[in-house]
Amino acid sequence: EDKVVQSPLSLVVHEGDTVTLNCSYEVTNFRSLLWYKQEKKAPTFLFMLTSSGIEKKSGRLSSILDKKELSSILNITATQTGDSAIYLCAVEGLDSGYALNFGKGTSLLVTP
Amino acid sequence: GAVVSQHPSWVICKSGTSVKIECRSLDFQATTMFWYRQFPKQSLMLMATSNEGSKATYEQGVEKDKFLINHASLTLSTLTVTSAHPEDSSFYICSARGRESQPQHFGDGTRLSIL
Repeated sequence: EDKVVQSPLSLVVHEGDTVTLNCSYEVTNFRSLLWYKQEKKAPTFLFMLTSSGIEKKSGRLSSILDKKELSSILNITATQTGDSAIYLCAVEGLDSGYALNFGKGTSLLVTP
Repeated sequence: GAVVSQHPSWVICKSGTSVKIECRSLDFQATTMFWYRQFPKQSLMLMATSNEGSKATYEQGVEKDKFLINHASLTLSTLTVTSAHPEDSSFYICSARGRESQPQHFGDGTRLSIL
């Protein structure tokens, strides 16, 4: 059975800190790994990773996939209070008809 | 780009009512749409996968007669919760996917409360 495990489940940091969120997965016929940010509504897309070792970057956020270790990390540098959210990792398998299997999420709180 | 619109955003209705939720891809053609359900403080659980012009594929444990899905066009899918009861109260979220290499984009979700 496909599985996605995120850690930590929750995190509290001060503004300006750097955080690293982890995601490990087990999936049959891996296709891609995606990161989403969820605030009060539905998730918003951050990154889609398909190739190992290639960092994707968007402003203060970056992510990288390690297919050998079956894991990914999401880094946020110089955190701001607006980064407070739940960060979801999801994995897509070739056999799943493009459906996403989500982890439980990491709840990040950035305090002023 | 890649905007998904979901409507309504919030529904409160009496037990026994049927509720229809619409999901539209506004600026791309969605060959596949997905419906998820999210309980408080939990992650998203896939309910069904919907391909345009064909019957939806439901996940194990999801009643297809209870949650009717229609995907009549490349930009619209609907979820109808039939004869809703309080235990159907939840946050329902749709997502849509265009081309094979593109990620899923989510609508804003519908918060359904059955009294």
